[in-house]
Amino acid sequence: GNSVTQMEGPVTLSEEAFLTINCTYTATGYPSLFWYVQYPGEGLQLLLKATKADDKGSNKGFEATYRKETTSFHLEKGSVQVSDSAVYFCALTNRPQGGSEKLVFGKGTKLTVNP
Amino acid sequence: GAVVSQHPSRVICKSGTSVKIECRSLDFQATTMFWYRQFPKQSLMLMATSNEGSKATYEQGVEKDKFLINHASLTLSTLTVTSAHPEDSSFYICSARRVASETQYFGPGTRLLVL
Repeated sequence: GNSVTQMEGPVTLSEEAFLTINCTYTATGYPSLFWYVQYPGEGLQLLLKATKADDKGSNKGFEATYRKETTSFHLEKGSVQVSDSAVYFCALTNRPQGGSEKLVFGKGTKLTVNP
Repeated sequence: GAVVSQHPSRVICKSGTSVKIECRSLDFQATTMFWYRQFPKQSLMLMATSNEGSKATYEQGVEKDKFLINHASLTLSTLTVTSAHPEDSSFYICSARRVASETQYFGPGTRLLVL
């Protein structure tokens, strides 16, 4: 079946530090990959996505590259800010033929950025 | 674009009563809406998938008679928690998928507390 594994948190960084949150997946075929962010007390927001191998999704300084050979979609940011403190979820969809897709989420990684 | 709203944002009710949560896509038509439940410090659990004009598809272990879902139009889906009990207390999040798109857009969530 489809599954997503992401690094367990919490992750605590100082402002302007480099961020990597690892995400690997298991899926048949060619899934689409997503990173969602959840700020405290809010719902999820789509951060970035990639729909095919070697695609790079990017938004707000965050990047992730769809690596089929390593089944990974690691999230990176060169210089984090306090406002980036949130929970980050890696997810995939893998629409079965003729069906509607479901998002499969990782467990989430809580990031805290200190000034 | 792609804004999804939920109402109410918070609700407190007595055990045994029913609670209705609305999910609206404000600026796009959503053929499919999804309902999730999120426990503290955990990932989202898909409860059901609803397609406009048809019955919802529930995930294994989710009681369809307890969690009634109606998707009456392309912009509105409702989740009714019937005869709520304290163990139903949770954060309920909906998402909407626009026509011919893989991306799900999430509402801000509804926090339900059953006393």
